[in-house]
Amino acid sequence: AQSVSQHNHHVILSEAASLELGCNYSYGGTVNLFWYVQYPGQHLQLLLKYFSGDPLVKGIKGFEAEFIKSKFSFNLRKPSVQWSDTAEYFCAVNAENAGNMLTFGGGTRLMVKP
Amino acid sequence: DGGITQSPKYLFRKEGQNVTLSCEQNLNHDAMYWYRQDPGQGLRLIYYSQIVNDFQKGDIAEGYSVSREKKESFPLTVTSAQKNPTAFYLCASSRDRGPSTEAFFGQGTRLTVV
Repeated sequence: AQSVSQHNHHVILSEAASLELGCNYSYGGTVNLFWYVQYPGQHLQLLLKYFSGDPLVKGIKGFEAEFIKSKFSFNLRKPSVQWSDTAEYFCAVNAENAGNMLTFGGGTRLMVKP
Repeated sequence: DGGITQSPKYLFRKEGQNVTLSCEQNLNHDAMYWYRQDPGQGLRLIYYSQIVNDFQKGDIAEGYSVSREKKESFPLTVTSAQKNPTAFYLCASSRDRGPSTEAFFGQGTRLTVV
């Protein structure tokens, strides 16, 4: 079965610090990769997604993620975080040969101090 | 406004009672999903439906039931058989179950069983 690991459960940063959230998945076939964000009191919403092509994907609000196939990773990055980035971030994987089920990681709760 | 509406936002029930969570979408999406969110465990799939009058069990379907009588509605019943029902429940929909299709989420229902 496919699985998704997010190793950082809680991250605390000061404003303007750089962010990298790790995401690793365990599936060897063709995968589609997503990062979702859940701001306090709001819907879970899509930050960015990778299906094919350029492994460096740019999303909303200055976020980007890099798909490294050899490392089974899809880490999320932002060069300079803002207080408004305080949220919970979820990595998700959809494997084409695993029933197209969207499998989520455990989430990373990010707090940005002003 | 197009989107997914879950109601109620907060729900309290006594142990041993069944309770039904509502999920309605006006996005004309074929696929709908129910996830359970617990701290540190990400989102786990309970049930999903690809089309009206059809639904499939997800990873943690025991103690839950669903119906899909209309395209726009996918209610979830948490039965008394569910051993640990207190959780945050998220409903989602997508245009179809294709691997590259984005899922859209409702705001969630927080169920507390006392």
